[in-house]
Amino acid sequence: EVQLVESGGGLVQPGGSLRLSCSVSGFTVSNNYMTWVRQAPGKGLEWVSVIHSVGSTYYADSVKGRFTISRDNSKNTVFLQMNSLRGEDTAVYYCARGSGSMDVWGQGATVTVSS
Amino acid sequence: DIQMTQSPSTLSASVGDRVTITCRASQSISSWLAWYQQKPGKAPKLLIQMASVLEGGVPSRFSGSGSGTEFTLTISSLQPDDFASYYCQQYSGVVTFGQGTKLEIK
Repeated sequence: EVQLVESGGGLVQPGGSLRLSCSVSGFTVSNNYMTWVRQAPGKGLEWVSVIHSVGSTYYADSVKGRFTISRDNSKNTVFLQMNSLRGEDTAVYYCARGSGSMDVWGQGATVTVSS
Repeated sequence: DIQMTQSPSTLSASVGDRVTITCRASQSISSWLAWYQQKPGKAPKLLIQMASVLEGGVPSRFSGSGSGTEFTLTISSLQPDDFASYYCQQYSGVVTFGQGTKLEIK
């Protein structure tokens, strides 16, 4: 069964760091494009970052220089390292398969940035 | 970045109605457009890719059309399970989403 499970969310103070994980089963992350999308409370969807099958990475301007996407092929897991967190980063973070249309999504991890 | 404008923001309709949601791109995106359905507290679900290609398992009452800058999502006969939020998304350039359309029961 194809499944994505996010973990690592939580409450963090402004300026702090958090690392999200997206554990994948049913397909191989190294052969696919993997994307992070976030959704602030009561708001729409916002693309955050993508890692291509060849390892290239891209970021939204709003997170560039603060967030890093990576993967561990041996664990079939994708990560989102989030540093220098701000209140506006508060959101549910979803990982998804694909870089254009995204056909499989995780259940989401909630990140709250607050003092 | 390419801006995606959805209309309406909210749509009230009844079971059995035919409804249409429109998405406009700030520049041509050819057919690089997807539609998603999202229910409260759940992840988005891909309904349509390449503007008109229905994903497997998606009911045939859903259809998508358009190319260039104008796109539509049509639900031919609303069912109770269809009341949700819908988002368009372009992937011609850096991915961007429309602001969403909340489909409510009238």
